[in-house]
Amino acid sequence: QKEVEQDPGPLSVPEGAIVSLNCTYSNSAFQYFMWYRQYSRKGPELLMYTYSSGNKEDGRFTAQVDKSSKYISLFIRDSQPSDSATYLCAVSISSGSARQLTFGSGTQLTVLP
Amino acid sequence: NAGVTQTPKFQVLKTGQSMTLQCAQDMNHEYMSWYRQDPGMGLRLIHYSVGAGITDQGEVPNGYNVSRSTTEDFPLRLLSAAPSQTSVYFCASSSRTQYFGPGTRLLVL
Repeated sequence: QKEVEQDPGPLSVPEGAIVSLNCTYSNSAFQYFMWYRQYSRKGPELLMYTYSSGNKEDGRFTAQVDKSSKYISLFIRDSQPSDSATYLCAVSISSGSARQLTFGSGTQLTVLP
Repeated sequence: NAGVTQTPKFQVLKTGQSMTLQCAQDMNHEYMSWYRQDPGMGLRLIHYSVGAGITDQGEVPNGYNVSRSTTEDFPLRLLSAAPSQTSVYFCASSSRTQYFGPGTRLLVL
């Protein structure tokens, strides 16, 4: 069993839709949770960074962590064609080793104009 | 401030050939790492370094060597390339969060 499971998609939605991306993880020691966005043929870039359970909002993006169910989500409101990318969740045990990340396999999202 | 740079962007090798993937960062980060990305597998850690002169293995280190002689550079060496090493390779450096380079696409025939 992988430590982080992520539905690979592909996911296709119309412009303006609310997008929900999800990951589950198996190790309860994970404390730090990240979402990366990766455009085609580019390196991943950090989108959201959260610690422990709860919600964090940044513009149209909301990251949600439920440690009791080991479930993390990324919501995109009013999705735009420019949001079309692969979204990777990542987890780590501590901030000291936050650089040593365990990644999900990524979900490919297409937002249709 | 260029961030993390990687060269080459694309490389074709024959089985058994060796090569070095270059990575450099200008953010003065102590921590640097190499990942490979394969379809359906996400990013997997190959090797990492916590500072000049210090390196350690990640999840998939076999077939790869690294060294860290300066804070800025962290090259990845393939000693004898195999088709299983066909992948996209990303270098990253980090303070609190990781910054990734643009990647090197490697095809081993």
